[in-house]
Amino acid sequence: QSVLTQPPSVSAAPGQKVTISCSGSSSNIGINYVSWYQQLPGTAPKLLIYDNNKRPSGIPERFSGSKSGTSATLGITGLQTGDEADYYCGTWDTSLSALWLFGGGTKLTVL
Amino acid sequence: QVQLVESGGGVVQPGRSLRLSCAASGFSFSNYGMHWVRQAPGKGLEWVAFISNDGSNKNYADSVKGRFTISRDKFNNTLHLQMNSLRAEDTAMYYCAREKYGIEYWGQGTLVTVSS
Repeated sequence: QSVLTQPPSVSAAPGQKVTISCSGSSSNIGINYVSWYQQLPGTAPKLLIYDNNKRPSGIPERFSGSKSGTSATLGITGLQTGDEADYYCGTWDTSLSALWLFGGGTKLTVL
Repeated sequence: QVQLVESGGGVVQPGRSLRLSCAASGFSFSNYGMHWVRQAPGKGLEWVAFISNDGSNKNYADSVKGRFTISRDKFNNTLHLQMNSLRAEDTAMYYCAREKYGIEYWGQGTLVTVSS
C-alpha cells in the first residue's frame, strides 16, 4: 500500500483527454514538488513532469501537471496509442527522515 | 549526453550478498545526488536509497535499512549499492537514477534474483 495514492487504471479513446490523480499528505505532496514518470512496457521510467508542472525538454505540451494542497494531477490530452503505459507520481516525504515516495502507479489504456 | 549504466545483477541465494554498480557519464557526477530504485516483476516502482552529491547524506527505505549500503566513488564516477542478507522479496530490476528536479535520469537497470 503506497503512501501516495493513484487509481490503478484509467482509460480513454484516442484523441481524448485523461487525468491521473495522486493523493498524499502534508509531509509529502503538501510541502514538496511532485514529479511524474512514464514507463512504457519493458523500458525504464522516464521523467514527464517535474516541479509540479514543468516539462523537461522533449516532452510534448500534451502532458501537463498541477498540484493543489496534498494532491497532484497529471493530464494528457490528444491521447495516442503510444501513450499506453504505466504512470507514477513521486515526491519527497520529510516527516521524520527524508524518503522518496512513489505512487502505486496507474495503467493507462488507450481504447 | 547523460548515461547511467548499471551492472552487478544476477542470481544469488537468500542470505548472501551482492554489490551493484552504476557507471555515470556525460555530466559532472560530483554535482548530483543519486538514487537506487527497484521494481519487482509485475509490480510498481519502489525507492531504495539516496546519496547526496558529496556522499555526506544517505537515506534508505525501511525495507532495506540496515541491510543495504549506498556509496559513491567520485574518482571513477560510479555509484554502488551493497546488498547484504538478501531475501526473496529483494528480487527486482534495480535502477540507478540522477536527482535534480526529482528523479531526472534513469539507467536501464540490472536484474537481481534472490532464489535458492
